[in-house]
Amino acid sequence: GQQVMQIPQYQHVQEGEDFTTYCNSSTTLSNIQWYKQRPGGHPVFLIQLVKSGEVKKQKRLTFQFGEAKKNSSLHITATQTTDVGTYFCAGPTWSGTYKYIFGTGTRLKVLA
Amino acid sequence: SAVISQKPSRDICQRGTSLTIQCQVDSQVTMMFWYRQQPGQSLTLIATANQGSEATYESGFVIDKFPISRPNLTFSTLTVSNMSPEDSSIYLCSVVVDAEKLFFGSGTQLSVL
Repeated sequence: GQQVMQIPQYQHVQEGEDFTTYCNSSTTLSNIQWYKQRPGGHPVFLIQLVKSGEVKKQKRLTFQFGEAKKNSSLHITATQTTDVGTYFCAGPTWSGTYKYIFGTGTRLKVLA
Repeated sequence: SAVISQKPSRDICQRGTSLTIQCQVDSQVTMMFWYRQQPGQSLTLIATANQGSEATYESGFVIDKFPISRPNLTFSTLTVSNMSPEDSSIYLCSVVVDAEKLFFGSGTQLSVL
């Protein structure tokens, strides 16, 4: 079945350093979404990318969708302690029913 | 967006018993899903809750163990039946709104002794 892998699994950074997580799907995606889950919280929608090669920015966060629509990345510039959490990519898929498959996630810790 | 009320937020249960989790949405939604998230892991889809018909279960999940009801477009329940310690996890309901965005309930943290 479809798999969505993320690397790295964990990342510890000093506050102010940059951070990047990569998402790779085994199949082409119609769109890709990113979610953030704070410790003890539930996933919260960050952004959706639809077009091949699309790049979107949200303040210090930069999201990119690969040309083949099978991979994506999230880059955070100058991390802050508020960036702590687990970042998931997710993609919709159709296999008899419409559903969302989540990536394995990258847990970010920011050291002050 | 959508406001999702999920209850209970947490529970501690004895093995062999059942727990029903409720998910109430403040607006009508077509697609609703139930996920399980084990500690430190990603989200695993249990099933799609279909309004007025049987839920669609993912591989590894069966109706006898995780019966789901969806009587209308704003409400669903997930029951975890005949629980064992392996069922200890966080259970999350989610809905699709605003052009394919997923919104999640706050989750139910289940511990089975």
